[in-house]
Amino acid sequence: QKEVEQDPGPLSVPEGAIVSLNCTYSNSAFQYFMWYRQYSRKGPELLMYTYSSGNKEDGRFTAQVDKSSKYISLFIRDSQPSDSATYLCAIADGSGGSNYKLTFGKGTLLTVNP
Amino acid sequence: GAVVSQHPSRVICKSGTSVKIECRSLDFQATTMFWYRQFPKKSLMLMATSNEGSKATYEQGVEKDKFLINHASLTLSTLTVTSAHPEDSSFYICSASNTGAGNTIYFGEGSWLTVV
Repeated sequence: QKEVEQDPGPLSVPEGAIVSLNCTYSNSAFQYFMWYRQYSRKGPELLMYTYSSGNKEDGRFTAQVDKSSKYISLFIRDSQPSDSATYLCAIADGSGGSNYKLTFGKGTLLTVNP
Repeated sequence: GAVVSQHPSRVICKSGTSVKIECRSLDFQATTMFWYRQFPKKSLMLMATSNEGSKATYEQGVEKDKFLINHASLTLSTLTVTSAHPEDSSFYICSASNTGAGNTIYFGEGSWLTVV
């Protein structure tokens, strides 16, 4: 089993839809959870960062972490065509202080159709 | 917000030559930077961890003599692809850990390398 599993999609939704993106992980030592958005031919952009179970909201984005199920989600409300991108979940165990490594999901390609 | 800058954004070089890519943290100090490689429609593959003032730590399968990493200051890490070959053509991305913001990791814009 891979450490981080993410459905690569592609996922296509109409404008205004609620989008749900998910990842599962296997290592219970993971404690930092991030979502990145990557536009084509660009570097990943940090969207959300959390380290505890529960929900964290930022504008139209909500990150949800369920450590007991080893399951993380990103919800996008009122999706816009400009949200079309690849979304990557990234997880770290936090060991080694600033030297911790991110383990990435494969990324989900999202297209929001006008 | 935090900004990580990479230069050049695109580079074309001839087979057998070397090319250097710079990664700078513009508004924070980064004792640790990471170098990734990404193939089209694939996720990021960690190549190495760059630590300021010490040798880089390479991931299994990554040739340290081919991909030279230097982290000379708290804001700059460089990746040099030596004796480049066409199979080295890829998207190279760096990231930097902002210890002043809970070790949040920010990425550069990436550098497209084409070896002809």
